[in-house]
Amino acid sequence: DSGVTQTPKHLITATGQRVTLRCSPRSGDLSVYWYQQSLDQGLQFLIQYYNGEERAKGNILERFSAQQFPDLHSELNLSSLELGDSALYFCASSTTSGSPDTQYFGPGTRLTVL
Amino acid sequence: AQSVTQLDSQVPVFEEAPVELRCNYSSSVSVYLFWYVQYPNQGLQLLLKYLSGSTLVKGINGFEAEFNKSQTSFHLRKPSVHISDTAEYFCAVRGSGSGTYKYIFGTGTRLKVLA
Repeated sequence: DSGVTQTPKHLITATGQRVTLRCSPRSGDLSVYWYQQSLDQGLQFLIQYYNGEERAKGNILERFSAQQFPDLHSELNLSSLELGDSALYFCASSTTSGSPDTQYFGPGTRLTVL
Repeated sequence: AQSVTQLDSQVPVFEEAPVELRCNYSSSVSVYLFWYVQYPNQGLQLLLKYLSGSTLVKGINGFEAEFNKSQTSFHLRKPSVHISDTAEYFCAVRGSGSGTYKYIFGTGTRLKVLA
């Protein structure tokens, strides 16, 4: 158990809908990272937050957005969902932002778009 | 910008045999390098990382990797594998300069250990 929790574990929804994925980092970790893992694109870095501020942006679509709240949990919002958004979404956390601390990954949320 | 190439998508190996999983990277700046393991139905777990200093890095579960700057490689090795090492292994890179926080992952290598 990494100490990172993600909810829900599974999510099934329809095209055009909007969903919210939630992540609680390990106690004391200030950084949260979001990743998308799909069969065709592999593991893609989406976005990183550090202590409530956006720190780095990867291949995140405009239909997707994220935020980190004062209690340090983070949410990833996916809207206007398409079939191709079906994937495993991982959250990871680390202590700091600049130095390459170990990232601890959650168990993931499996999103299925029908 | 950085990129990572894992040349082997699958590597079958017999139990107690040695294994090497290959990783090559491309970057115009100095980098940090990582190997992660993903067991079935689980998140990723850090095996080891190269930040600076000695080019031979030892990690958990008996794995080690060698950073070769001239060949831009960071291959992962284990002298004797176990059935429990069956998993997917990801190589990742991140720029080491200030303001570079984006992690780039390879496409993964599926290690299958055979009895």
